[in-house]
Amino acid sequence: AQSVTQLDSQVPVFEEAPVELRCNYSSSVSVYLFWYVQYPNQGLQLLLKYLSGSTLVKGINGFEAEFNKSQTSFHLRKPSVHISDTAEYFCAVTVTGNQFYFGTGTSLTVIP
Amino acid sequence: DGGITQSPKYLFRKEGQNVTLSCEQNLNHDAMYWYRQDPGQGLRLIYYSQIVNDFQKGDIAEGYSVSREKKESFPLTVTSAQKNPTAFYLCASSFDRGTYEQYFGPGTRLTVT
Repeated sequence: AQSVTQLDSQVPVFEEAPVELRCNYSSSVSVYLFWYVQYPNQGLQLLLKYLSGSTLVKGINGFEAEFNKSQTSFHLRKPSVHISDTAEYFCAVTVTGNQFYFGTGTSLTVIP
Repeated sequence: DGGITQSPKYLFRKEGQNVTLSCEQNLNHDAMYWYRQDPGQGLRLIYYSQIVNDFQKGDIAEGYSVSREKKESFPLTVTSAQKNPTAFYLCASSFDRGTYEQYFGPGTRLTVT
């Protein structure tokens, strides 16, 4: 079975500073990886995904993530955050495309 | 506009009552999903359906039921057997193959007292 661990439940960061949100997964087979963002009382919106190919994936709103197979990680990064990036971020993994496994989420708070 | 709609946004029920949450999509997606979200627990899969008239249990299906009579619709019924029904419920859909990307609805917050 697959599982996802988001190591930080809360990450405070000052505006215009860089941020990294960590995600590790466990799987014995190849996986597809996703990062989603959720604003309060809303659904989830896809930020980026890794299916195959280049291990550095660029997404919306200036976010990027790097797939590291040897470390089973898929950390999300942004070089300079804005107030509007304050939200909950979820990492997710799937093998079959039918069942997705989500991490418990990281709450990013951008401090003015 | 294409998308997923869930209604209502807020729902209140008395304990012991069944309640049905609506989910409709006009994205022509094959697969649809129901998740439950609780604080600090992320999303947990309740049921999913890959084609009409077929659905599979997820990790926490007990106390829930679904139907998939139309491609566009995947209603979820929270029965009185669900011990802790108060939660935020999210519906999602995706193409069955290819991108694997899930599109989410805005969610329904159910409160049972």
